[in-house]
Amino acid sequence: QQQVKQSPQSLIVQKGGISIINCAYENTAFDYFPWYQQFPGKGPALLIAIRPDVSEKKEGRFTISFNKSAKQFSLHIMDSQPGDSATYFCAPSGTYKYIFGTGTRLKVLA
Amino acid sequence: EPEVTQTPSHQVTQMGQEVILRCVPISNHLYFYWYRQILGQKVEFLVSFYNNEISEKSEIFDDQFSVERPDGSNFTLKIRSTKLEDSAMYFCASTDHLAEKLFFGSGTQLSVL
Repeated sequence: QQQVKQSPQSLIVQKGGISIINCAYENTAFDYFPWYQQFPGKGPALLIAIRPDVSEKKEGRFTISFNKSAKQFSLHIMDSQPGDSATYFCAPSGTYKYIFGTGTRLKVLA
Repeated sequence: EPEVTQTPSHQVTQMGQEVILRCVPISNHLYFYWYRQILGQKVEFLVSFYNNEISEKSEIFDDQFSVERPDGSNFTLKIRSTKLEDSAMYFCASTDHLAEKLFFGSGTQLSVL
């Protein structure tokens, strides 16, 4: 499988702080760069995604930054809330195949 | 929002037994997937399915695994002879022709004893 690496593995943030999760990939054929959010006992759910023709996309408190030359993209969660506590996966894809990253466990302290 | 439905939510089986995990993808979706996740860790790709055939499979998806779309609505994963290491949460997912957003079911927790 193509390598997709996430960092950090776990993250603890105070309420109101900024959470930043990074994803590095190898396959230059990927053309869709999503982040999924997973709560315990549930399947992953799409949070936000970006196509490579833009470098940044913002939806509410969530922002994706994309660096094509570095083959990296990141998720920024502004004003982090306890309800954001979950595991986050990047899952870059191309040709209908989605490779999930190793996951980042985020805990937001109240 | 439409949902992917998986049954059962929990399955306990003895080592060496066959299990069938069932999924009903979203009705107008074209691409179907099985993933598995061990103890909340990495979501591992098993197989993708399109136009009634496997389009891609991982190293995990060996001869003990098979998939089928028997009736145009269900999508099943069969494990012929389960091993202890098959214990995991199995997720079915589907996507439409745009192949962007993956919709996941709530998973089947398989425990092999």
